[in-house]
Amino acid sequence: SSELTQDPAVSVALGQTVRITCQGDSLRRYYASWYQQKPGQAPVLVIYGKNNRPSGIPDRFSGSSSGNTASLTITGAQAEDEADYYCNSRDSSGNYVVFGGGTKLTVL
Amino acid sequence: QVQLVESGGGVVQPGRSLRLSCAASGFTFSSYGMHWVRQAPGKGLEWVAVISFDGSNKYYADSVKGRFTVSRDSSKNTFYLQMNSLRVEDTAVYYCAKDRSGYPHSFDYWGQGTLVTVSS
Repeated sequence: SSELTQDPAVSVALGQTVRITCQGDSLRRYYASWYQQKPGQAPVLVIYGKNNRPSGIPDRFSGSSSGNTASLTITGAQAEDEADYYCNSRDSSGNYVVFGGGTKLTVL
Repeated sequence: QVQLVESGGGVVQPGRSLRLSCAASGFTFSSYGMHWVRQAPGKGLEWVAVISFDGSNKYYADSVKGRFTVSRDSSKNTFYLQMNSLRVEDTAVYYCAKDRSGYPHSFDYWGQGTLVTVSS
C-alpha cells in the first residue's frame, strides 16, 4: 500500500483563501477525495473526482491535482470551515484505499 | 434519504470477537460497494475493508487482514464486519460508508459510527 501525506495543521484568517495539500505516489494515477470532519461527527465528503462537489457543499470548496499532489482550496474561509480535513485515494494496486493523516484547519 | 446505521460495538477483552452491522436504507444497496473505516481516539481515519456491490471482491487493510471479515446480505440491506482476535489497538469508532457511483474511493454517505473498546 502507499501513503498519503498531509500537513498536520494549517490556519487561515477569516475570509481568506487556504490550500490544504495531500502528497502521495498514487495521486499520479488516482484523484483524491476530500472529507471534512468536525468534532464528534462523521466525516463529510466535500470533493471527489477531478473537482466535483456533492450536493450541499458550498462552492468555496474546490479541488485540484498536479503530479503527486492533490489540493483542497477554500476560497473565503468561514468560521464553520474550522475542522479536520482528510484526503483519500487508492493505493498503487487500485484495490486498497488509503487516507492521509489529516489536517486541522483553524480559522482565525 | 440515504441512511447508514451501525450497531454492535461495545467493550470486549483482547482475543475475543465482535460483529458489527451496518443497516442501509434509501438507496439500492445491491448496487454499491461498502466500506468500513475506523478512527482510534484522537487519531485520524483508517480504512479497514471493502466489499464489492455483489460481494464477490473483498479487500482488507494489512492491520486487520486474517482477523476481520466483511460480508453483506442484500436481502436485509445489511453489511457486516466480523472481528476476531481483537487487539487493544483495534479500539476505535467504526464507521460504515458507501461508495459514490463511479468513484470507488469516494464515500458519499457515512454512518454515525459505533465504538469498539478492546480492554482487559
